[in-house]
Amino acid sequence: AQKVTQAQTEISVVEKEDVTLDCVYETRDTTYYLFWYKQPPSGELVFLIRRNSFDEQNEISGRYSWNFQKSTSSFNFTITASQVVDSAVYFCALSENNFNKFYFGSGTKLNVKP
Amino acid sequence: DTEVTQTPKHLVMGMTNKKSLKCEQHMGHRAMYWYKQKAKKPPELMFVYSYEKLSINESVPSRFSPECPNSSLLNLHLHALQPEDSALYLCASSQGQITTGYNEQFFGPGTRLTVL
Repeated sequence: AQKVTQAQTEISVVEKEDVTLDCVYETRDTTYYLFWYKQPPSGELVFLIRRNSFDEQNEISGRYSWNFQKSTSSFNFTITASQVVDSAVYFCALSENNFNKFYFGSGTKLNVKP
Repeated sequence: DTEVTQTPKHLVMGMTNKKSLKCEQHMGHRAMYWYKQKAKKPPELMFVYSYEKLSINESVPSRFSPECPNSSLLNLHLHALQPEDSALYLCASSQGQITTGYNEQFFGPGTRLTVL
């Protein structure tokens, strides 16, 4: 079974729209870590956020916000007022007790049109 | 310095060639990683070095041979590759100490490898 599921393969929005990228994870460990990465067309994965399992506080960073809900095993990512530069593939990832090993979701490609 | 560098950016090689990919970080990280990424797929973990020792090998074929000469450098030696090995090869590093709570991985720009 997949440990990280990103059900949205591709999303297209018009600039200034808000968009939410979904991430559902599965783990039996009580301590785990969740991540979001951005991969623009250039190819480099850019780290956006890490969330530890014992910290359910939501986080906001500029136009980005993250909603971590252990009850639904979800770690969703919202971009407010999207911009063309947000166009990229976004990956959600999980690490468990073997914290060096990341399980990546299949990614969501976000297209932001002007 | 929060950068992971990789060379070369692009590499074209024949199936009989021997080549090496190089990765460097100067963040004092003690864990380094090699990933393979095919188009429209997530990165696949190949190897993990922790404190300069190989800690994870995800059943990678022996035609890929990793090497960690020191805590800042990571190499991937390539020999007798197949066309299906063509992919983006990504290097990453992380602090490597879970006690700090910071285990995010920082990625380099990748080497785009084509095997003819």
